[in-house]
Amino acid sequence: GAGVSQSPSNKVTEKGKDVELRCDPISGHTALYWYRQRLGQGLEFLIYFQGNSAPDKSGLPSDRFSAERTGESVSTLTIQRTQQEDSAVYLCASSPTSAGGEQFFGPGTRLTVL
Amino acid sequence: GQQLNQSPQSMFIQEGEDVSMNCTSSSIFNTWLWYKQDPGEGPVLLIALYKAGELTSNGRLTAQFGITRKDSFLNISASIPSDVGIYFCAGQWVQGAQKLVFGQGTRLTINP
Repeated sequence: GAGVSQSPSNKVTEKGKDVELRCDPISGHTALYWYRQRLGQGLEFLIYFQGNSAPDKSGLPSDRFSAERTGESVSTLTIQRTQQEDSAVYLCASSPTSAGGEQFFGPGTRLTVL
Repeated sequence: GQQLNQSPQSMFIQEGEDVSMNCTSSSIFNTWLWYKQDPGEGPVLLIALYKAGELTSNGRLTAQFGITRKDSFLNISASIPSDVGIYFCAGQWVQGAQKLVFGQGTRLTINP
């Protein structure tokens, strides 16, 4: 079966431009997470979606960051007016329910802001 | 964001040697997880621990959930070349929900 997929795999943009990153979770997984990984660092939580509940946005670093999810399907992470410090790998994960820590990760989108 | 204290940051070993790495936290977790990340890939779950004191094995990997709920270790026995990569610990605040808090990773290099 297909795993979590993300697109694009790489994105290079100019400072000040908006970018949109996409995540396709594993079919049937109700929980979806976005994380950011800076070079040589661990993952930082950004946002969490669970079914129809209000998302947990507590990890979003600024109001330039937002995310949407369509039902229990695709999610998009949008970064407006990108800054150089936004350069990182953005990872998406999904899990069957909110139960347990077994999150399955996609390959990530490497974002470079020039 | 908050991260766990993971050590060592890097390890250089000979093939066949055993490996040990650990994570500590100032806060209690209900779940500890260990992931491995290869270059250009997302992390892959190795072992999940759900009870304080729990010791779990997955092939050559063994991990323990510390009795205080504030630490965990991962051991790899008889290392092989495909063990190369970055290993991350992660803690979860409440069992069954929400975000993972990650350590900064241990980079494992194996000399042939």
